[in-house]
This record gives sequence, C-alpha cells and structure tokens, in this order.
Amino acid sequence: AQRVTQPEKLLSVFKGAPVELKCNYSYSGSPELFWYVQYSRQRLQLLLRHISRESIKGFTADLNKGETSFHLKKPFAQEEDSAMYYCALRETSGSRLTFGEGTQLTVNP
Amino acid sequence: EAQVTQNPRYLITVTGKKLTVTCSQNMNHEYMSWYRQDPGLGLRQIYYSMNVEATDKGDVPEGYKVSRKEKRNFPLILESPSPNQTSLYFCASSSYPGQGMNNEQFFGPGTRLTVL
Repeated sequence: AQRVTQPEKLLSVFKGAPVELKCNYSYSGSPELFWYVQYSRQRLQLLLRHISRESIKGFTADLNKGETSFHLKKPFAQEEDSAMYYCALRETSGSRLTFGEGTQLTVNP
Repeated sequence: EAQVTQNPRYLITVTGKKLTVTCSQNMNHEYMSWYRQDPGLGLRQIYYSMNVEATDKGDVPEGYKVSRKEKRNFPLILESPSPNQTSLYFCASSSYPGQGMNNEQFFGPGTRLTVL
C-alpha cells in the first residue's frame, strides 16, 4: 500500500531564509506527487504537482525516484508562506490521493 | 464561481444522533471524496466516488456512509456518531482522475464536527 511521510510536524524559519519541507513516499508503481497548502482558516488548495515542473509562489519540488522523495523548497521564505503543507501521492490507477501528516510552517519576521 | 460547498460548517451533536453533512460541487466533476483531518494524522480518506452510483471505501470508512445519487452531491452520513468522530471533514472533487490529466482536486471549506 502507498504511504506518504512528512517527518517534520513543525518547521520554523526566519523571513528570507531558505526552507525545505520534506516528503518521502513508498509506492511500488509510478506515482504522481503533489503539494497542497492550507492557509489559516482556508480550504486546502493545490500548490504544485511534479509533472508540471513549475515554480509556484517561489516554491519548487523535484521528484527523486531513487530516494523516493518529493521535498518542497523555497530559497527565501516570506511571512505569507506560513501555512500547513501536505504532500500527497496519487497511485497509478489515478483514483485516490494519499496524504502525509502535514508540516506546519511558520515564517518569523 | 466554481466551487465545492459543504453544510453545515460547524456542528455540535451528541453520541448516537444521526447526522448528514452535505457536499455539492458545480464543476460537473465525476470524482468526489470525503476526508477527515486530525492533528498529527493529516488527511485520511473516508469514502470516494468515481461517478453516480459508484462509491468505494477509503482508508477509514468505519462509522460512515455515503451516497451518490446525483453527480453534484455527495453527502456524508453518520448513522450513530461517536466522540472519536470529532474531527474536521473535507469534501473534494475533481474531473475523472487519471495520471497526467489536469484533474486537480478542489476542496470544500470544511465542516468542524464535535460529538459529545
């Protein structure tokens, strides 16, 4: 069965510092990976997906199949990046999303 | 406006009193899903539906029921709620899922349920 692990429940950085939110997965097939973000009192929204290979709000994430990781990175964190971030995996059959436990990011001024 | 709506947004109830949380989407999406969000556990899928009259269990289906009689609606039913079902519930929808397709899951605003 697929599994997504986010080892850090809480992550705190200062404004302007680099930030990396870790995500590891286990899945026997070829997965599709996503990052979702939930700002305070708002609904979850898609931040980025690995197949798009795009940068959203300065965030990037590279799928590393060898290390089975999909870490989210941003070179210079901003206070408005403070939110809960979820890594998610969609299986080959394309139906279900499996979410990690989430990482609460706080960017301090 | 394209959106997923849930009602009620907040609900406090007592053990054993049946309740229904409604979910509706206006994007003509085939796929709909219910999740519960608990601290330290992330989002866990309760049930999902690939289309009308097609529902299936997720990771934590015990104590829940769903129905999909119409494409736009996917209600979550708790026949006999218990305190361990106190949680934040999210409904989501997307176009027919398939890898490589632009089928982002759109989430509702959440329903905070407390079972006393």
